[in-house]
Amino acid sequence: AQTVTQSQPEMSVQEAETVTLSCTYDTSENNYYLFWYKQPPSRQMILVIRQEAYKQQNATENRFSVNFQKAAKSFSLKISDSQLGDTAMYFCAFIQSNTNAGKSTFGDGTTLTVKP
Amino acid sequence: DTGVSQDPRHKITKRGQNVTFRCDPISEHNRLYWYRQTLGQGPEFLTYFQNEAQLEKSRLLSDRFSAERPKGSFSTLEIQRTEQGDSAMYLCASSSSRIYGYTFGSGTRLTVV
Repeated sequence: AQTVTQSQPEMSVQEAETVTLSCTYDTSENNYYLFWYKQPPSRQMILVIRQEAYKQQNATENRFSVNFQKAAKSFSLKISDSQLGDTAMYFCAFIQSNTNAGKSTFGDGTTLTVKP
Repeated sequence: DTGVSQDPRHKITKRGQNVTFRCDPISEHNRLYWYRQTLGQGPEFLTYFQNEAQLEKSRLLSDRFSAERPKGSFSTLEIQRTEQGDSAMYLCASSSSRIYGYTFGSGTRLTVV
């Protein structure tokens, strides 16, 4: 069974600074996809960024980028130039790609607070 | 398209009552998912539909839980004989393909008293 671990329950960062959220996962699969989702307080969860395991190049979406280390089974999220609107709970998620299964496995999240 | 809609947003029920939640996915998405989220934890998988077929369900989806997606459009999640442990946020999500990630609804918060 796949597991996803986010070892930092809470983090804080000053506005305009950079922060990195950690995620590790455990799987015996070789092909899969990884995601970071953002859940602002009392608002719905939205997709931030995705990474295909077969791609070595790290994904980037504007101020958000990932550091994907397949051998280490690590998938961290870097937020540059942090903004107050980045305050949210962030979830790392994993899904297999080589079956018809639809289940994603989520970590327990990291609560990020951006301070002015 | 207004995204994934869930109804109701909040539900308070007495223990032992039955409740039903509805989810309307993005119309172009053939995949629909139900997750449960408790405070301070990540979403926990309940079940997954591709079109009208229920392809996977968690063992958490006990005989008190049932989900349907008639005609591959909206979906309902029913909980019978609710227990206090069922109190949680129930999230619905849809996607056109698993590789693109999910679009989530705002969730239905269930409180069992």
